[in-house]
Amino acid sequence: DTEVTQTPKHLVMGMTNKKSLKCEQHMGHRAMYWYKQKAKKPPELMFVYSYEKLSINESVPSRFSPECPNSSLLNLHLHALQPEDSALYLCASSQKIGVYSNQPQHFGDGTRLSIL
Amino acid sequence: DQQVKQNSPSLSVQEGRISILNCDYTNSMFDYFLWYKKYPAEGPTFLISISSIKDKNEDGRFTVFLNKSAKHLSLHTVPSQPGDSAVYFCAAHGGATNKLIFGTGTLLAVQP
Repeated sequence: DTEVTQTPKHLVMGMTNKKSLKCEQHMGHRAMYWYKQKAKKPPELMFVYSYEKLSINESVPSRFSPECPNSSLLNLHLHALQPEDSALYLCASSQKIGVYSNQPQHFGDGTRLSIL
Repeated sequence: DQQVKQNSPSLSVQEGRISILNCDYTNSMFDYFLWYKKYPAEGPTFLISISSIKDKNEDGRFTVFLNKSAKHLSLHTVPSQPGDSAVYFCAAHGGATNKLIFGTGTLLAVQP
């Protein structure tokens, strides 16, 4: 059982819709991440939050908007997505980030997103 | 430019034998390496990691070896079990950001 919970598991939306992906962890981790994974490809980092502040944005288009309301929750707000945005979106958490903080990231099972 | 590479897209081993998965990297700044296992319709599951100050780390059936001079790491699993059949990703990061760079994955099939 994963300790990082993502909802919904599947989402189908049109290009004009607005939806949100949610991620929750109760491990006391202070770093949280969003990744995008296309079929037969490795996960690619999108955003990193550290202590509820955005620390990395990997040049992600503004139609993806992350939010970290508190240390346990991470949201990804979606608006005006394109068909090529269809992918598996993975959330992860780790104890912290920083120099010499070698800690594994723990992943949720993802949200399978399909854009019509 | 692929900084972390897994050159074998797939591997098949017999149950009970050793499986060896390989990974190469190019960035000498990487200081922490991880292996993840991924089943279909699930997220990656953390298996084992190694810091660049070590050359070996063991956890149960899993052992990771790091050869810094060759920029190479490997995951040894013995004995292999059918439940080990999955896609295995190696990953690396370095510096303050904890940004993980993943390899392309190797599909392991353990034959009963």
